[in-house]
Amino acid sequence: GQNIDQPTEMTATEGAIVQINCTYQTSGFNGLFWYQQHAGEAPTFLSYNVLDGLEEKGRFSSFLSRSKGYSYLLLKELQMKDSASYLCAVKDSNYQLIWGAGTKLIIKP
Amino acid sequence: GAVVSQHPSWVICKSGTSVKIECRSLDFQATTMFWYRQFPKQSLMLMATSNEGSKATYEQGVEKDKFLINHASLTLSTLTVTSAHPEDSSFYICSASSGTGGSYEQYFGPGTRLTVT
Repeated sequence: GQNIDQPTEMTATEGAIVQINCTYQTSGFNGLFWYQQHAGEAPTFLSYNVLDGLEEKGRFSSFLSRSKGYSYLLLKELQMKDSASYLCAVKDSNYQLIWGAGTKLIIKP
Repeated sequence: GAVVSQHPSWVICKSGTSVKIECRSLDFQATTMFWYRQFPKQSLMLMATSNEGSKATYEQGVEKDKFLINHASLTLSTLTVTSAHPEDSSFYICSASSGTGGSYEQYFGPGTRLTVT
């Protein structure tokens, strides 16, 4: 079957750095997405990786290793507004998005 | 750019009635639209995928006769929850994509919170 694993919840301190990991087992691979979802709101797009390596976008970076079926989202200089759920999703061989359950990130002052 | 709207943002209805939710892509043509349901503290659950002008493809376990989807144009899709019951109370989110390839991301609407009493 297809499976995406993320930690359920993480806690970090304002101003610090946090890394959210995602491992996947899917039938084929056509890219990996990270989305941010604040409570009661719809997800918003953060990043897309299709080749191995690190993609940096401001305070957020996303890394992909296709051979390991592994990705992480790195958030730097954490702000209170970064408290949200972070969803990892993979497009399989049929270009269908397979969603992880999300990681709830709690930022403490 | 890439804005998706949903209407209504929240709705309360009585058990047994039907509710229609609209999803519109405001500044792009959506080849494909997706309907999701999300229960509290749970991840997104894809209900169905629809392409303009064709019948929606429903995920396993989703009743097509209960959740009617119409994708009449490249900018509008509707989800009708028929004969709603309290267990249908959830956060319904649509998303739209201008393509289906690897790099095409889904743009999400703000969601509709449905409460069935």
